[in-house]
Amino acid sequence: EAQVTQNPRYLITVTGKKLTVTCSQNMNHEYMSWYRQDPGLGLRQIYYSMNVEVTDKGDVPEGYKVSRKEKRNFPLILESPSPNQTSLYFCASSSGGQPQHFGDGTRLSIL
Amino acid sequence: DAKTTQPNSMESNEEEPVHLPCNHSTISGTDYIHWYRQLPSQGPEYVIHGLTSNVNNRMASLAIAEDRKSSTLILHRATLRDAAVYYCILIRAGGTSYGKLTFGQGTILTVHP
Repeated sequence: EAQVTQNPRYLITVTGKKLTVTCSQNMNHEYMSWYRQDPGLGLRQIYYSMNVEVTDKGDVPEGYKVSRKEKRNFPLILESPSPNQTSLYFCASSSGGQPQHFGDGTRLSIL
Repeated sequence: DAKTTQPNSMESNEEEPVHLPCNHSTISGTDYIHWYRQLPSQGPEYVIHGLTSNVNNRMASLAIAEDRKSSTLILHRATLRDAAVYYCILIRAGGTSYGKLTFGQGTILTVHP
């Protein structure tokens, strides 16, 4: 089954403790992207990747890092999380400008 | 970046057609118009997309203005399961900023029984 898998689905952590949210897709898609969703602000793009070793900033990249060492994986790294990064995060993938497939989301709470 | 503008909310009755508008006056020639919807507690799901011509699929129809500065998502017979947030976005097929996407706040569709 074609899918985008995010882990963990839920995480409560404390300020400053490094965390990684993993994203994996099994569709051999070149393009992957991370979004955060906050009430009243819709979906905002954090980072995207056009292919392996190619990443670029979206609209809200501050405080986040990403890497794309393999085609299927696109982890989101919060080196020093802060409370304003409490949000619902979605990973998505696509190929050749075709529709994006989204994961089920990761709800992060940073205390 | 090309942006889209949608009404914050719309309402419909069950079994009636729904027309969800989207303005994208700064669209460029290589921008595809995509529609996604997000049901409560779920990730966005693809609905339909097009470039210049009107498009139909099993979920909806997409009507694109001749100048491409606006489009309309048409749900032919709304059901309670269609209640969701609908996003209209532009996805560039080439050139600069390919891959950078702006979703906006979308339109909250309420369907009344």
